[in-house]
Amino acid sequence: AQSVTQPDIHITVSEGASLELRCNYSYGATPYLFWYVQSPGQGLQLLLKYFSGDTLVQGIKGFEAEFKRSQSSFNLRKPSVHWSDAAEYFCAVGARSNSGYALNFGKGTSLLVTP
Amino acid sequence: DAGVIQSPRHEVTEMGQEVTLRCKPISGHDYLFWYRQTMMRGLELLIYFNNNVPIDDSGMPEDRFSAKMPNASFSTLKIQPSEPRDSAVYFCASSPGPLVNNEQFFGPGTRLTVL
Repeated sequence: AQSVTQPDIHITVSEGASLELRCNYSYGATPYLFWYVQSPGQGLQLLLKYFSGDTLVQGIKGFEAEFKRSQSSFNLRKPSVHWSDAAEYFCAVGARSNSGYALNFGKGTSLLVTP
Repeated sequence: DAGVIQSPRHEVTEMGQEVTLRCKPISGHDYLFWYRQTMMRGLELLIYFNNNVPIDDSGMPEDRFSAKMPNASFSTLKIQPSEPRDSAVYFCASSPGPLVNNEQFFGPGTRLTVL
């Protein structure tokens, strides 16, 4: 079955520094991959998604992610972090199941941004 | 559009009581999802509907949980009787089409505390 692993539970970066959040997936076929962000007390918002084509995907708020099939990874990056980026980030994999579609989320990575 | 609307935002109840969570999806969206988020298990899909019909309820934890979608603009998730281990944040999401082609839009969630 498809699954997602986010190895880092918490990450702290300084404002202005670069960011990379790791995501590894397990799935036999080509996966559909997503990154969502959850601000405190809010629902999840889609940052970007990968279905096929160019392996470098651009999203909202200056985020990008790169699909690497050989490493089963879909890491999220941002060149310069802003204090407003402090939030919980979730990687998810979507795949067809017997009963339709399933979206499996990782446990999330909590990002803290320091001045 | 107002986005996905959930009510109540917070619910505190005592063990054994019935709890009803409500969701209004984005108009025109044919898919509706219910998720549960806990620290231990992360974000789990409970059930999803397509055109008001339940498609996959394999994530519903047990018979105490039930979900309905009487029309395209309203869905409920009911827990009867509630137990302390049901304490979690429950999210409703909607999508205009099948998961792998369309973004899911999340509501702000209902934080449920069962004492």
